[in-house]
Amino acid sequence: DTEVTQTPKHLVMGMTNKKSLKCEQHMGHRAMYWYKQKAKKPPELMFVYSYEKLSINESVPSRFSPECPNSSLLNLHLHALQPEDSALYLCASSQAGLGIQYFGAGTRLSVL
Amino acid sequence: GQQVMQIPQYQHVQEGEDFTTYCNSSTTLSNIQWYKQRPGGHPVFLIQLVKSGEVKKQKRLTFQFGEAKKNSSLHITATQTTDVGTYFCAGRRYNFNKFYFGSGTKLNVKP
Repeated sequence: DTEVTQTPKHLVMGMTNKKSLKCEQHMGHRAMYWYKQKAKKPPELMFVYSYEKLSINESVPSRFSPECPNSSLLNLHLHALQPEDSALYLCASSQAGLGIQYFGAGTRLSVL
Repeated sequence: GQQVMQIPQYQHVQEGEDFTTYCNSSTTLSNIQWYKQRPGGHPVFLIQLVKSGEVKKQKRLTFQFGEAKKNSSLHITATQTTDVGTYFCAGRRYNFNKFYFGSGTKLNVKP
């Protein structure tokens, strides 16, 4: 099973809402990632968790708050987002840091 | 700034023609990965290159890593409509714990 599952697939939220994106993998991977991808652009790294500890934060605004409850789950909590935060949010995992990354199908987020 | 440059940005080919995309880094890379993203899809891992001058083949796809480990290419022979998508390279610099994605090359194949 090489699947990374992301929910929801689509999300529309207002600028005052609080929502969460979820990511799950059962491959025993110990590194998990959040990426943001705008249309016609490459994935842009946001956060990396390694062994359930935050190892990289790419200077992401605090309105994005990651959480890794256990080695299989990764959440991204969203609060007070801006319209420019509308994008495809991709989760990925790898066996160890810097290994082959398996991407989920993404959550397409629209901020109104 | 852009760590890994990728060209061309777009390529339109007739089915059966060949296609090549190139990645270049100003610094030596420890390894490089290639991903394919279909329209409306997510990136899917294709290959990883680690050694200087390495060449790997997957059916009609040939991947190369330059001798100086600063550039890489993906060549597709006799494209098919199933090859449509955006191809990204992702390079890792020594002592950096992340991959830098290239800007991608979007391939369109006309039947």
